[in-house]
Amino acid sequence: GNSVTQMEGPVTLSEEAFLTINCTYTATGYPSLFWYVQYPGEGLQLLLKATKADDKGSNKGFEATYRKETTSFHLEKGSVQVSDSAVYFCALKGDTGGFKTIFGAGTRLFVKA
Amino acid sequence: DAGVIQSPRHEVTEMGQEVTLRCKPISGHDYLFWYRQTMMRGLELLIYFNNNVPIDDSGMPEDRFSAKMPNASFSTLKIQPSEPRDSAVYFCASSLGTAKNNEQFFGPGTRLTVL
Repeated sequence: GNSVTQMEGPVTLSEEAFLTINCTYTATGYPSLFWYVQYPGEGLQLLLKATKADDKGSNKGFEATYRKETTSFHLEKGSVQVSDSAVYFCALKGDTGGFKTIFGAGTRLFVKA
Repeated sequence: DAGVIQSPRHEVTEMGQEVTLRCKPISGHDYLFWYRQTMMRGLELLIYFNNNVPIDDSGMPEDRFSAKMPNASFSTLKIQPSEPRDSAVYFCASSLGTAKNNEQFFGPGTRLTVL
């Protein structure tokens, strides 16, 4: 079945550092891929998405490229801010498995001033 | 748009009591999802509805859990009787249509504590 694996956290960075959170997936066909972010005390919200191979999703300085050859969708940001401290979830929605979204376990990011 | 609305935001109850969580999805959305989030198990899908009909309830942990969607603008998740291990944050989410590029919109969650 479809699955998502993302790097374990927590990830702790200093402000202005470069961020990478790894995400790999297993799916049949051509799923859509998502990154959701959860700020403290809130629900998940969409950060960015990509719907086909080689697409790059971007938002708020974050980017992720849909790599079918490596089944990956790594999240990157060139310079993190304290306000980026949150939990980040990689997710996919595929051609099979009904209309459920499959979420990764989440990676907690702490950014220090 | 008001987004997905959940109530209450916090609920503290004693073991054995009935708990009812409420959700109002975004108007026009035809899919509604209930999730549970804990530190140990992460985010778990409990059940989802399409056009008010339950489609997949395989994630509902026990018969103590039940969910209904009497109309397009309201859903409930009920736990009876509640147990301490049910303590978690419960999220409701909604989405539009079946396209695989459609994202889910989450509510703020209900933090449930069962003593």
